[in-house]
Amino acid sequence: QKEVEQDPGPLSVPEGAIVSLNCTYSNSAFQYFMWYRQYSRKGPELLMYTYSSGNKEDGRFTAQVDKSSKYISLFIRDSQPSDSATYLCAMSTGGGNKLTFGTGTQLKVEL
Amino acid sequence: GAVVSQHPSWVICKSGTSVKIECRSLDFQATTMFWYRQFPKQSLMLMATSNEGSKATYEQGVEKDKFLINHASLTLSTLTVTSAHPEDSSFYICSVTGTSLETQYFGPGTRLLVL
Repeated sequence: QKEVEQDPGPLSVPEGAIVSLNCTYSNSAFQYFMWYRQYSRKGPELLMYTYSSGNKEDGRFTAQVDKSSKYISLFIRDSQPSDSATYLCAMSTGGGNKLTFGTGTQLKVEL
Repeated sequence: GAVVSQHPSWVICKSGTSVKIECRSLDFQATTMFWYRQFPKQSLMLMATSNEGSKATYEQGVEKDKFLINHASLTLSTLTVTSAHPEDSSFYICSVTGTSLETQYFGPGTRLLVL
């Protein structure tokens, strides 16, 4: 069993839809949870960062962490074609420590 | 956050040659830099962790004599792929972090093609 599980997709949604991306994990020592967006042939770009449990909102993006269930989510509201990318969840046991990544979910937002 | 650059953005070389990739932290003094490789449609695989002024720590299965890492300053780390072979063709990405950053910030990546 992988430490972090993420559905690879691909996930295809119409423009304007709400997108829900999820990861589950097995290591209860993870304290820091990140979502990165990666466009084709580019490096990952940090979207959201959360420490411990709770919600965090930034514009159209909302990150949720449920440590009791070992489950994290990223919601994208009013999705746009420019959101089409691969979304990687990542987690670590300490700030700046080694990251453990999910496999990434490929998202396509269609006009 | 931190702004990270990599050079070159892509490189083609002949089998048997060595290739050096630079990773620069442009606006942040990075005490720690990471090197990853990524194959098509796969996630990032950590190759090594380097702390400024120290020898790099390599992940299991990564040949330290083949992938030479130097972290000579707080703003520069280099990855040298020695005697490159076609199976080394991949996307190499660095990231930086430090005491005032709570996560890693990534460079744009370097695409290596070994013929």
